[in-house]
Amino acid sequence: EAGVAQSPRYKIIEKRQSVAFWCNPISGHATLYWYQQILGQGPKLLIQFQNNGVVDDSQLPKDRFSAERLKGVDSTLKIQPAKLEDSAVYLCASSFQGAIDTQYFGPGTRLTVL
Amino acid sequence: AQSVTQLDSQVPVFEEAPVELRCNYSSSVSVYLFWYVQYPNQGLQLLLKYLSGSTLVESINGFEAEFNKSQTSFHLRKPSVHISDTAEYFCAVRNSGYALNFGKGTSLLVTP
Repeated sequence: EAGVAQSPRYKIIEKRQSVAFWCNPISGHATLYWYQQILGQGPKLLIQFQNNGVVDDSQLPKDRFSAERLKGVDSTLKIQPAKLEDSAVYLCASSFQGAIDTQYFGPGTRLTVL
Repeated sequence: AQSVTQLDSQVPVFEEAPVELRCNYSSSVSVYLFWYVQYPNQGLQLLLKYLSGSTLVESINGFEAEFNKSQTSFHLRKPSVHISDTAEYFCAVRNSGYALNFGKGTSLLVTP
């Protein structure tokens, strides 16, 4: 079974530029999560989708971050414009249908904002 | 909101020695707890989880954790560590919306 795929693995941009990350969850997983992991901290939820609907985006900085999950499969997270403090690893995870199901994480995208 | 606190940021230990990584959670009526491991340059992997039932849960690679309701703890233990156990370990609790709230992580460094 293929795992959660993410691309790119690394990205370096300058502040005020835009960037997009892509995630393809495990086949059949209805729930998809985006987490932000700043160096030295644990992952923090940015947004959670159930199929193509948003369940929780309370911690997403909506003035600069956006995410979509068209057709309820893969997802894109965008930052526009980026700030220095956005430097982090962006993790995508998926689970079959939430609740007690295990979340499976992708390898992450390491973003450096200069 | 549900939260966890990992009490140690770094734990150095010699190979074949026992280790305990500490995690406390905020109290609630019901709680689902997890330990994830992150090896260098790799993604997060589930180590073990407590959902209900037996308070002692085990992983396939020798780690175990005990859910202690009276002390609101979910400490991770291994009786004898290997060099390959060197990694970052995260305790997490499921929130009401099914996402995970993570602790800040404990860096386990195993030396010969």
